[in-house]
Amino acid sequence: ETGVTQSPTHLIKTRGQQVTLRCSSQSGHNTVSWYQQALGQGPQFIFQYYREEENGRGNFPPRFSGLQFPNYSSELNVNALELDDSALYLCASSLDSFSYEQYFGPGTRLTVT
Amino acid sequence: AQSVTQPDIHITVSEGASLELRCNYSYGATPYLFWYVQSPGQGLQLLLKYFSGDTLVQGIKGFEAEFKRSQSSFNLRKPSVHWSDAAEYFCAVGPSYNQGGKLIFGQGTELSVKP
Repeated sequence: ETGVTQSPTHLIKTRGQQVTLRCSSQSGHNTVSWYQQALGQGPQFIFQYYREEENGRGNFPPRFSGLQFPNYSSELNVNALELDDSALYLCASSLDSFSYEQYFGPGTRLTVT
Repeated sequence: AQSVTQPDIHITVSEGASLELRCNYSYGATPYLFWYVQSPGQGLQLLLKYFSGDTLVQGIKGFEAEFKRSQSSFNLRKPSVHWSDAAEYFCAVGPSYNQGGKLIFGQGTELSVKP
């Protein structure tokens, strides 16, 4: 059974640029949640995708957007990057949108300069 | 608003000593409660969870936690800490209705273990 994978591991971008982060969910899971973890903080919920539809969103601006594909993998897109977007971005998959059993990937470390 | 507070930013314990990490939550109804552990460069691993029933829950790696409704607390304990337990620990709360996966995390407690 393959766990949750994320790519890339690290990324450096310049303010104003756009970035795409990717996540492959665990086999059999149809729900993906994305979290932002700033340095020294706990993860903050960005949004969740269930069967290719957004299924809840945290307090993040519209420049944070996502996609989920038929194979349940997912992308997080961030436009117009700001310095404060520098963080570890975590993806978590779960069996379905009602399940609290979440399996986290190792994260993508994004640095915005 | 829902929130989770972990009062201790950093705790150091000696190997073999007991451990208690504190977690307080603010939520109107009975929440779903979780403890996760994060090692450097790693994602989060679920240690244990409380949904209902017995207020003392057992988890992996010898950890346990006790839900105390009157104190709005869900403290994590381990009777004897091992050097490999050094990591960041996060308490989280989830709404108890049709909101699977949308967790609210505390800011974490970093655990150091002295030889």
